[in-house]
Amino acid sequence: DAGITQSPRHKVTETGTPVTLRCHQTENHRYMYWYRQDPGHGLRLIHYSYGVKDTDKGEVSDGYSVSRSKTEDFLLTLESATSSQTSVYFCAISERTGGTEAFFGQGTRLTVV
Amino acid sequence: AQSVTQLGSHVSVSEGALVLLRCNYSSSVPPYLFWYVQYPNQGLQLLLKYTSAATLVKGINGFEAEFKKSETSFHLTKPSAHMSDAAEYFCAVSVPNTGNQFYFGTGTSLTVIP
Repeated sequence: DAGITQSPRHKVTETGTPVTLRCHQTENHRYMYWYRQDPGHGLRLIHYSYGVKDTDKGEVSDGYSVSRSKTEDFLLTLESATSSQTSVYFCAISERTGGTEAFFGQGTRLTVV
Repeated sequence: AQSVTQLGSHVSVSEGALVLLRCNYSSSVPPYLFWYVQYPNQGLQLLLKYTSAATLVKGINGFEAEFKKSETSFHLTKPSAHMSDAAEYFCAVSVPNTGNQFYFGTGTSLTVIP
């Protein structure tokens, strides 16, 4: 299994509070991704990173920010959590372009009440 | 953005029957294609991938998929379903020279009936 650790694995938070999810990898892969998974929507890309301090928006980036100060860590921040951000969040990594696959973490279940 | 369509959000098959999960994509250039499986409360695991070599790709657990450019399809099959195949299956694409992003379909939940 690829060395990807997401923390926390479960979190309940209140509307309006900031929340940070962490993804840590031990594979030294260049690309890192944050997805959210919701019933009927599959996985949707929030943000991704193609190197340290290099990030870009995905299709559902509103209300989220990311940072990558080290190769191994990719942080996802919900600036002011809303109930619509209740979801399961997955981190993924990929070594390079050219058809290499993405490897996924175990997910973080976030509930915003 | 690229799009991936998985026909049938729920598929039920009898144990021992053929499994066929459908995936169509839209892309102006031949993409890289992937099938992932997700068991309850777990992350996604790669089943197989197509990266412009052989059009018939064999993966783990007896699954295979065929890339058909003319039909823009990458359907997943398994000759004989096992109970352990019950899971959620996702088709994904990655388009060359577009930043290595992966686009996923909405998933197909496979139920295997004993």
